[in-house]
Amino acid sequence: GAGVSQSPSNKVTEKGKDVELRCDPISGHTALYWYRQSLGQGLEFLIYFQGNSAPDKSGLPSDRFSAERTGGSVSTLTIQRTQQEDSAVYLCASSLESGDTQYFGPGTRLTVL
Amino acid sequence: AQSVTQLDSQVPVFEEAPVELRCNYSSSVSVYLFWYVQYPNQGLQLLLKYLSGSTLVKSINGFEAEFNKSQTSFHLRKPSVHISDTAEYFCAVSRSGGYQKVTFGTGTKLQVIP
Repeated sequence: GAGVSQSPSNKVTEKGKDVELRCDPISGHTALYWYRQSLGQGLEFLIYFQGNSAPDKSGLPSDRFSAERTGGSVSTLTIQRTQQEDSAVYLCASSLESGDTQYFGPGTRLTVL
Repeated sequence: AQSVTQLDSQVPVFEEAPVELRCNYSSSVSVYLFWYVQYPNQGLQLLLKYLSGSTLVKSINGFEAEFNKSQTSFHLRKPSVHISDTAEYFCAVSRSGGYQKVTFGTGTKLQVIP
């Protein structure tokens, strides 16, 4: 079956521009996570959606970052007024239930010039 | 809330030597524990997990991890590593029972030296 997909795979943008990153989770998975992976920084949790519950936004680094999940499926991570320090690989993962195995997408590599 | 500590950011080891990647967690309740692996230029994937039952869990490629509740550890071991095991390994924890957020450690880079 289809895995987690993310688009675009690569995004180059200029400082100050807004970007939208998309994640299509595995069908039927109730939990969806966004992470950021920077060179030498490990895996940084950003936001977590579980079903219809309010999302856990505790990992978002600033108010320039936001995410939504429409209809319990597709999710969009938006970064406003991008900064060079936002450059990283943004990973999305979904799981059938929150505490179980996560399936990761291939990531979106964001480069802010 | 739970947390995970991976003390070793990098572990170099010679091919065919044994290796242990350490993971300690902090939680006041029952947990699920996971090891994920990220091979160079590839995505993260599950290596093995402990949910319940036997405290020793194994992967198909020779890794094993043992849940030690008294020491709050879930160390990953392999008796003889191969070049192909070179990757970054992430330990993760969640509260047991489902519908709980998973927390990842900072990762350990395993470099197998020929």
